[in-house]
Amino acid sequence: GQQLNQSPQSMFIQEGEDVSMNCTSSSIFNTWLWYKQDPGEGPVLLIALYKAGELTSNGRLTAQFGITRKDSFLNISASIPSDVGIYFCAGRSNYQLIWGAGTKLIIKP
Amino acid sequence: DAGVIQSPRHEVTEMGQEVTLRCKPISGHDYLFWYRQTMMRGLELLIYFNNNVPIDDSGMPEDRFSAKMPNASFSTLKIQPSEPRDSAVYFCASTLDLNQPQHFGDGTRLSIL
Repeated sequence: GQQLNQSPQSMFIQEGEDVSMNCTSSSIFNTWLWYKQDPGEGPVLLIALYKAGELTSNGRLTAQFGITRKDSFLNISASIPSDVGIYFCAGRSNYQLIWGAGTKLIIKP
Repeated sequence: DAGVIQSPRHEVTEMGQEVTLRCKPISGHDYLFWYRQTMMRGLELLIYFNNNVPIDDSGMPEDRFSAKMPNASFSTLKIQPSEPRDSAVYFCASTLDLNQPQHFGDGTRLSIL
């Protein structure tokens, strides 16, 4: 079946650093979604991407839909303490949504 | 605007007991999804409904699990009898259509002792 490889699994960063994470697959997707999950809450949509090559920003977050349609990237600039949480990618093809395993972001004190 | 509402937020019960999780989707959303989240397997789709009709239940782990959607504003996920391995966070999500992102509730944290 279709699978997404999300990396890294976790990240320890200093406040103020930039963060990059990505999802790759051997399958083609026509939509990429990035969600964030805070402890004790459900995933919340951050950015939705609908076209290959699309680059979309939401504040300090920027996500790109890979040109091959098999990958997507999420960047966070100048991280702040409230960025901690788990970030999930999800790719959609033929109305099926496939989820990555998540990237846990931890800010070093 | 009210989001997806799930209840209870936490449930602790003994194995063998029946467990019922509840979900109220966002008004006007035609699709409702039930997910299970664990450390080992991440986020797994259990079942989804369109216009109250179950469309894909291939993710339901076994016959002990059942889900219903009696009307457009309410769905239940039932586990009977419950087992310790069912312990997880169960999420409900809804969307207007399959091309739109899903909106999640805050989940039910289920612990089966």
